[in-house]
Amino acid sequence: DTGVSQDPRHKITKRGQNVTFRCDPISEHNRLYWYRQTLGQGPEFLTYFQNEAQLEKSRLLSDRFSAERPKGSFSTLEIQRTEQGDSAMYLCASSRWSDEKLFFGSGTQLSVL
Amino acid sequence: RKEVEQDPGPFNVPEGATVAFNCTYSNSASQSFFWYRQDCRKEPKLLMSVYSSGNEDGRFTAQLNRASQYISLLIRDSKLSDSATYLCVVNQAGTALIFGKGTTLSVSS
Repeated sequence: DTGVSQDPRHKITKRGQNVTFRCDPISEHNRLYWYRQTLGQGPEFLTYFQNEAQLEKSRLLSDRFSAERPKGSFSTLEIQRTEQGDSAMYLCASSRWSDEKLFFGSGTQLSVL
Repeated sequence: RKEVEQDPGPFNVPEGATVAFNCTYSNSASQSFFWYRQDCRKEPKLLMSVYSSGNEDGRFTAQLNRASQYISLLIRDSKLSDSATYLCVVNQAGTALIFGKGTTLSVSS
């Protein structure tokens, strides 16, 4: 399978704990995006990378969120001191730099208790 | 005003019907436009790009009106398998794609 891969598929955590998600993009794609989606809403942009450079970060993203893509391949999204409002589906997508067509992974469903 | 606005629906139509979805965007500098489809509990998938001259892919027709900052998607001869949420997606130069909330379509037999 050469699609976008996300791990884990589901994460249940207690309020205040830190969580980290991983995304492996399609190998020839150099752009990688993180989105968050809650029920009844469209995906909400969080941040994106071109290779290892983080080019844009949403104003809505609090300081508790950080993303990295250290070698321009896989990426991690960390949420520190989780809150119940962080409960959502976290979607990763990738694309070629020349082509804005996004390919999404299956997402990580986060539940904060 | 939200950056991308869609009528959330739901649109409930019988098989064979023609249905149209509309979307408006706020930033006149937007350059790229897409429709994505999302099935229940699945990830979004690209349905089609939207070009200035309008474009068609089988039963699906997309149109763009830059002057009115308006995008549409027309589905002809609806099938049960068309039931899904349709997401309008827009970007500005150098920024990430912005998604609308989506319009839910339910096609019944």
